Amino acid sequence: AQKITQTQPGMFVQEKEAVTLDCTYDTSDPSYGLFWYKQPSSGEMIFLIYQGSYDQQNATEGRYSLNFQKARKSANLVISASQLGDSAMYFCAIVTGNQFYFGTGTSLTVIP
Amino acid sequence: GAGVSQTPSNKVTEKGKYVELRCDPISGHTALYWYRQSLGQGPEFLIYFQGTGAADDSGLPNDRFFAVRPEGSVSTLKIQRTERGDSAVYLCASSLTGLGTGGKETQYFGPGTRLLVL
Repeated sequence: AQKITQTQPGMFVQEKEAVTLDCTYDTSDPSYGLFWYKQPSSGEMIFLIYQGSYDQQNATEGRYSLNFQKARKSANLVISASQLGDSAMYFCAIVTGNQFYFGTGTSLTVIP
Repeated sequence: GAGVSQTPSNKVTEKGKYVELRCDPISGHTALYWYRQSLGQGPEFLIYFQGTGAADDSGLPNDRFFAVRPEGSVSTLKIQRTERGDSAVYLCASSLTGLGTGGKETQYFGPGTRLLVL
C-alpha cells in the first residue's frame, strides 16, 4: 500500500516568496514520524524537519515549517523566503515500525 | 565530524557479475540503513541494521541481495549475479540509536553509490 503521496511532481516559486509542498500519508499505526528531506542535484539527502504523530505543535526549523493536519493525514512543508539554493528535490517520508517510506518527491525550482 | 561515506561513488559492471558496496556510518551511530533509489523515484528501503544484526531485511528484493555489518560499524551491501534492473543509486544512512525510539531518530545519508549494470 502506498504510504506517502506527493502529488506535485514540479513546483516553481519566485525568490523570496513562500511555497508549500504537499504530502499525505497512510498508516494505521498510532505512533509514527514524518520527515522532510531535500535532495540537491549532488544526490545527498539532507534532513530538514521532523514531526512526531503525538506532537501537539507544528514543527519549525528556521525557514522550514511543517503544517501537520493529523485528521487529514497531511504533512505539508512550508518554505518561507525562498532562496535560489532551495532548488532541489524534496521528499516526504514516514517511519512506522522498522521502516521508512518515501514519497516520489517534488522538484522545486526557485526563480530569480 | 565526518558524515556517512560510501564507496565507490560510481560502479559500472556487467550483467551477471558480483558487486560490493561499502558504507561507513557516522562514528557512534548504532543504526544503519540501506536504500535503493531509481531514477525519478524516492528511496526504497532495503535493510536496517541495529548493531551487528539485521533488524529488518524485508526490503531486500530477492536472495541475490545480501548485507552485512560484522563489527557494528561499516556495512557492505552485496549483489550477486547483477541484472540491468539493479542499476540505481544505493544510499546508506545511519542514526544514533535506531527506529525503536518512536520514530524520532533522524537518519543521516551518505552521497550514494551509482551502480550501472550493462
